[in-house]
Amino acid sequence: EADIYQTPRYLVIGTGKKITLECSQTMGHDKMYWYQQDPGMELHLIHYSYGVNSTEKGDLSSESTVSRIRTEHFPLTLESARPSHTSQYLCASSEYLREAGDTQYFGPGTRLTVL
Amino acid sequence: RKEVEQDPGPFNVPEGATVAFNCTYSNSASQSFFWYRQDCRKEPKLLMSVYSSGNEDGRFTAQLNRASQYISLLIRDSKLSDSATYLCVVNCMNYGGSQGNLIFGKGTKLSVKP
Repeated sequence: EADIYQTPRYLVIGTGKKITLECSQTMGHDKMYWYQQDPGMELHLIHYSYGVNSTEKGDLSSESTVSRIRTEHFPLTLESARPSHTSQYLCASSEYLREAGDTQYFGPGTRLTVL
Repeated sequence: RKEVEQDPGPFNVPEGATVAFNCTYSNSASQSFFWYRQDCRKEPKLLMSVYSSGNEDGRFTAQLNRASQYISLLIRDSKLSDSATYLCVVNCMNYGGSQGNLIFGKGTKLSVKP
């Protein structure tokens, strides 16, 4: 079982607010990821990091930004939230296992609603 | 062509049935393969990795066919608690030779009925 945490779990906020979604893991994993998922739809990778001071955009364009100042912490920020940002945001980290390869573990997610 | 393709289902089966999910992937350089399970409004959880020789974990059996670029998951004696969406996941190599990011399929929904 992976130790990866996300806060808040649920957030309802008004348009134009700045928000930061927190993600932390205590396993010392170098690789971390943010995914966006709408109900009943597939996961979309929006950001990833291969280590401290490394951040890259994922396959789905997102107005959010991320930072990776510490190994265990990978926060996601929206400068000005809009209703189109309403979604579930899932954080993950991964470790390389010799037999299985890069294996990802997910946090419980943050369900964001922008009014 | 999508990198990872799965039958979206839903698969509606009675308790005790055997159900098989199939998945195809397009990148022949793919190195790692997984099945994840995702319950409604929850995060995906690793169900099992898929090894070249095939592997079994209790009622679950995963198989890999590299020649056909095909992965399968078999669930025997299905339980009500198996109801979930099953995601096929593939890891491809980067051009530089290092492991890239995971590619998730859209998932196959399973509903096990009493």
